[in-house]
Amino acid sequence: EAEVAQSPRYKITEKSQAVAFWCDPISGHATLYWYRQILGQGPELLVQFQDESVVDDSQLPKDRFSAERLKGVDSTLKIQPAELGDSAMYLCASSLVSGLPYEQYFGPGTRLTVT
Amino acid sequence: GQQVMQIPQYQHVQEGEDFTTYCNSSTTLSNIQWYKQRPGGHPVFLIQLVKSGEVKKQKRLTFQFGEAKKNSSLHITATQTTDVGTYFCAWRNTGTASKLTFGTGTRLQVTL
Repeated sequence: EAEVAQSPRYKITEKSQAVAFWCDPISGHATLYWYRQILGQGPELLVQFQDESVVDDSQLPKDRFSAERLKGVDSTLKIQPAELGDSAMYLCASSLVSGLPYEQYFGPGTRLTVT
Repeated sequence: GQQVMQIPQYQHVQEGEDFTTYCNSSTTLSNIQWYKQRPGGHPVFLIQLVKSGEVKKQKRLTFQFGEAKKNSSLHITATQTTDVGTYFCAWRNTGTASKLTFGTGTRLQVTL
């Protein structure tokens, strides 16, 4: 069964350092999502791509976070500089089509700890 | 503004007991999805409800969408230890093209 791939699975970084996460969605899925999940809470959407275009980044802290999906396939989420409050699970998800109630398939996530 | 509450936050049951979690909105929802997240895992899609009054079943799980499309429930009959995890409702507002918003989740603990 096809899965969403993410790396690394765990990342420990010091505050003010840069960190990057990678996501490879299920083949053929046009829509890709990055979520942040703080322990004990539901996932919060950071950015949504339709192919290579950003369709929603309203919750992305743009002063320090950036995301790209250059060829409309895999994607990178970057934080620079990292802050203590960025410690969380970063989840990537993909779905067939945006704008329709299609289910989202989540990857295993990257657990970020900022010290 | 819109408020969506998911209750309860936590429930501990004995194996074999039933369990229900509710998602209640102050405004009409376009559709609602339910996800399960096992401890240490990632959310996994369970079901999607679109129609007013819709009821769907998956083995021991029953999902309902209210007539006014403002509330939804997930009911598990005769819980098993494999049901342990956090159950999230997630919704799209009417008129919003695609953004999915997740509830705060209900954590279910099942003991023998």
